[in-house]
Amino acid sequence: DQQVKQNSPSLSVQEGRISILNCDYTNSMFDYFLWYKKYPAEGPTFLISISSIKDKNEDGRFTVFLNKSAKHLSLHIVPSQPGDSAVYFCAASGGSARQLTFGSGTQLTVLP
Amino acid sequence: KAGVTQTPRYLIKTRGQQVTLSCSPISGHRSVSWYQQTPGQGLQFLFEYFSETQRNKGNFPGRFSGRQFSNSRSEMNVSTLELGDSALYLCASSFGQGDEQFFGPGTRLTVL
Repeated sequence: DQQVKQNSPSLSVQEGRISILNCDYTNSMFDYFLWYKKYPAEGPTFLISISSIKDKNEDGRFTVFLNKSAKHLSLHIVPSQPGDSAVYFCAASGGSARQLTFGSGTQLTVLP
Repeated sequence: KAGVTQTPRYLIKTRGQQVTLSCSPISGHRSVSWYQQTPGQGLQFLFEYFSETQRNKGNFPGRFSGRQFSNSRSEMNVSTLELGDSALYLCASSFGQGDEQFFGPGTRLTVL
């Protein structure tokens, strides 16, 4: 039972355009959401987060949107750069356990 | 500040053997979590330790175990290795439970 789903295993975008990565969750107890980026042979690195009291959080080129009613979050990267090519994982936590539950990841390729 | 370190980085074992992986968290971090990453499965949560106590456990068989020492360093052990245990094992540390996690580079385990 996947509580966090990233339905697109891969996404290709032209350099300079917007990249939109999507994530859906099923557990209504989740109240904190994060995005991580992972390059090959490295561990994931934290990118941006959002708590359920907000619907948008922005950090430079990265913006995360949260739609609680739809149980959906998205990561927007504008403008996309070739160095953004990586696997992006969304993660969520909430309730008493507090451990992170990760999605299966989306491979983003930004074409020069 | 030094990041999360994991040793060894690469390991090759045969079926039936056991293996111990080590993780040193960021100084001051007391929470250590372990994840298994396999292609297409994302990061599967194994367990979390906080102040030497296992706080959460994922849905893995009892062959997977771990512990945390008083200096917050953690080890995980897998006994009676199976081919399906081949994966990247990631350790992440955070200051407290539910906080942003910082990942190590992982240990690539191959079971032949």
